[in-house]
Amino acid sequence: EVQVVKSGGGLVQPGRSLRLTCVVAGFNFDDYAMHWVRQVPGKGLEWVSGISWNGIGMGYGDSVKGRFTISRDNAKNSLFLQMNSLRLEDTAMYYCVKEGERGAFDIWGQGTMVTVS
Amino acid sequence: EIVLTQSPATLSLSPGERATLSCRASQSVTSYLAWYQHKTGQPPRLLIRDASNRATGIPARFSGSGSETDFTLTISSLEPEDFVDYYCQLCNNWHCTFGQGTKLEI
Repeated sequence: EVQVVKSGGGLVQPGRSLRLTCVVAGFNFDDYAMHWVRQVPGKGLEWVSGISWNGIGMGYGDSVKGRFTISRDNAKNSLFLQMNSLRLEDTAMYYCVKEGERGAFDIWGQGTMVTVS
Repeated sequence: EIVLTQSPATLSLSPGERATLSCRASQSVTSYLAWYQHKTGQPPRLLIRDASNRATGIPARFSGSGSETDFTLTISSLEPEDFVDYYCQLCNNWHCTFGQGTKLEI
């Protein structure tokens, strides 16, 4: 059974930092690219960041570039998102997502809420 | 940067009817376009990958088609649980994007 467990969400003041962690089980973590996707309450889905299976390739959405850093530890089946200089508009549900065949996001975690206030 | 535009923003139909959702890309893309269903309070669910291939466990009433810039998600006969939000998505050179979504309402 695939499990995606996340931690690190919560309430944080503007300008401060927060680190999200996603630990997965049930598939070979180091075979797949991983992503973070968020949804601001009442809005649509927004891609935040993604990282290749080996951590070499990565990308960021324009709204977080320069503030957020994605990383992974394949030995610990873990994905991270370091969020710095947080803004009110970063308030959202953050999803840890596995990229499957042909770039499709086939496994989603339950989401962790980040509130900047 | 590729922009995905979905239409309509809201689609009002009744159970049993056919739904046609559109996703248009700002430039010609590969067929690596995916569709997701999103119910409030749950994580999104992959419906279609590669523009037209149903993901594992997805009912046959969901189908995808299209190429280059124009893609369509069709739900052949709407069930009550289908009245939620739908998004198209693709990734290109380490930049991914979603359409703004279509809300399917009764």
